[in-house]
Amino acid sequence: QQQVKQSPQSLIVQKGGISIINCAYENTAFDYFPWYQQFPGKGPALLIAIRPDVSEKKEGRFTISFNKSAKQFSLHIMDSQPGDSATYFCAAPRGIQGAQKLVFGQGTRLTINP
Amino acid sequence: DGGITQSPKYLFRKEGQNVTLSCEQNLNHDAMYWYRQDPGQGLRLIYYSQIVNDFQKGDIAEGYSVSREKKESFPLTVTSAQKNPTAFYLCASTYGRPNTGELFFGEGSRLTVL
Repeated sequence: QQQVKQSPQSLIVQKGGISIINCAYENTAFDYFPWYQQFPGKGPALLIAIRPDVSEKKEGRFTISFNKSAKQFSLHIMDSQPGDSATYFCAAPRGIQGAQKLVFGQGTRLTINP
Repeated sequence: DGGITQSPKYLFRKEGQNVTLSCEQNLNHDAMYWYRQDPGQGLRLIYYSQIVNDFQKGDIAEGYSVSREKKESFPLTVTSAQKNPTAFYLCASTYGRPNTGELFFGEGSRLTVL
């Protein structure tokens, strides 16, 4: 019962280029869209998050773009660096019986070539 | 330093054996979660707990069990009933609901069934 679909599964970008990862969701009740970054052998860590009342949020080289009508949100990494090489996950909270669970996309393995 | 500690980092198990993965947090977080990570499948929720002595099944709870006797601790037992237990297991915690705050992850435990 995947409710967040992420693409592409893997991505190779040259140093200095723009990395773009997309996510599509089904449930319009989602009210929070975080992106997590995971390095090999480590747990994920929050990178940046957005709420649907804004269309874009920028933090340094990282930008989330949100398209409510298309039910899509994307992560843009400007001036991509080798240190950005990691797996990226989009996510959204799914409510059930008063509790909330964070549902993750399948992940995108990003490689930045020097 | 505040954080989440998972142990052991690597664990090998023979088929038919139960194994318990430890998760301890000193962040004073109310909610704790166990996720399983497999290549190409993202993070899938096994169990979660919002308060002490209470926990709920996630999307893939079959073959797993948990307890929440203390706020700081949320151990996961992988039982012999779990058909394909080899995976990377991640414990996480947050204040209250995950749409209002960051989900903090441990560094994971990699379980291999021989």
